[in-house]
Amino acid sequence: HLQLQESGPGQVKPSETLSLTCTVSGDSISNNNYYWGWFRQPPGKGLEWIGAKFYSGSSEYNPSLRSRVTISLDTSKNQFSLSLSSVTAADTAVYYCASDIFRSDWCHGGQWGQGALVTVSS
Amino acid sequence: EIVMTQTPLSLPVTLGQPASISCRSSQSLVHSSGNTYLSWLQQRPGQPPRLLIYKVSDRFSGVPDRFSGSGAGTDFTLKISRVEAEDVGIYYCMQATQLRTFGQGTKLEIQ
Repeated sequence: HLQLQESGPGQVKPSETLSLTCTVSGDSISNNNYYWGWFRQPPGKGLEWIGAKFYSGSSEYNPSLRSRVTISLDTSKNQFSLSLSSVTAADTAVYYCASDIFRSDWCHGGQWGQGALVTVSS
Repeated sequence: EIVMTQTPLSLPVTLGQPASISCRSSQSLVHSSGNTYLSWLQQRPGQPPRLLIYKVSDRFSGVPDRFSGSGAGTDFTLKISRVEAEDVGIYYCMQATQLRTFGQGTKLEIQ
């Protein structure tokens, strides 16, 4: 049973880089039946997709965030990570890691972590 | 960017009664593969989202059969045949045909 868990600082200063890690258990991140991604949800608002990456290396990003986002995979730790640079107060949100799962076809958003609140404040 | 529009945004429902949420996309969600990648997710209060329906009408693992999805092209619907107390939360449609975008969310509450 696939499980995801976010970790990282709960507060980041404006103009700095937000970094979060998602630890995967129950399967390997090198399994190409998964597409590893990040989403966020500002307090009291809806969901926003940030981007996603395959183990094979191909990736996609939200055009509105593309210039500031990097998603990387660490197979030695079975983790994937999010880096968001030059943050402002508008980046304050609960950040979720999630995976698409391939079962005869893609189940988009099949598994989610519990979420991590990141506040951008000096 | 594909814009997703949900109606209604608020949905008061009596226990045991049916509920229906609509989702419309700004362009067709038919992928080059021929599949239509429209999902429905449920977010209970204080919880992460949970996948209910994928590819318009396929129920994900463990999802009760009172949830069903339908639609094609640009118009989609999530139906709950008989609402239970545990169904309270916000429901989102999400397209994955061209990157990902979400509807605004529909808040289901028990009246």
